[in-house]
Amino acid sequence: AQTVTQSQPEMSVQEAETVTLSCTYDTSESDYYLFWYKQPPSRQMILVIRQEAYKQQNATENRFSVNFQKAAKSFSLKISDSQLGDAAMYFCAYRTTQGGSEKLVFGKGTKLTVNP
Amino acid sequence: NAGVTQTPKFQVLKTGQSMTLQCAQDMNHEYMSWYRQDPGMGLRLIHYSVGAGITDQGEVPNGYNVSRSTTEDFPLRLLSAAPSQTSVYFCASARDQFLTTNYGYTFGSGTRLTVV
Repeated sequence: AQTVTQSQPEMSVQEAETVTLSCTYDTSESDYYLFWYKQPPSRQMILVIRQEAYKQQNATENRFSVNFQKAAKSFSLKISDSQLGDAAMYFCAYRTTQGGSEKLVFGKGTKLTVNP
Repeated sequence: NAGVTQTPKFQVLKTGQSMTLQCAQDMNHEYMSWYRQDPGMGLRLIHYSVGAGITDQGEVPNGYNVSRSTTEDFPLRLLSAAPSQTSVYFCASARDQFLTTNYGYTFGSGTRLTVV
């Protein structure tokens, strides 16, 4: 079964600095999607960035970028120039269709604190 | 604004009561799903649907029922509420799983359910 592991329950960063959140996953599939979602205190799940496994190029969205290492099954999120509004829970998720069941498998999340 | 609408946002139930959590999307998404979020657990899939008239179970389906009579709506029914169903519930939708362009899930704002 696919699993997603976020090894850092909590992280903190100074405003304007850079922080990297870790995510590893386990799968036997060759083609899949990976996502990072942000959940602020409002509870809304907000898509930050996606990565298609068949693409070698790392995805970027403004200040957010990923380091996708397919062989190592690693998918870390880098936040540059951190802002107070980046404070939230961040979830790594893997999209699978194995066994005929389409679903997202989530990690347990990393709580990011941004210090002014 | 287009998106996924969940109602209610908050609900308190007594053990044994039944209720329906509503979910509607106006993006013509084929795929819809329900997740529950518990502290320290990430999100787990309850049920999902790949189109009107088609539903299937996820990881934690016991105690929940779903139906999909239209593309837009995907209600989640709690048949006989139990304290173990105290959680935050999210509805999510996505485009056809075989359309890979800009693939991603859109989440509703969640329903916080407490069963006493």
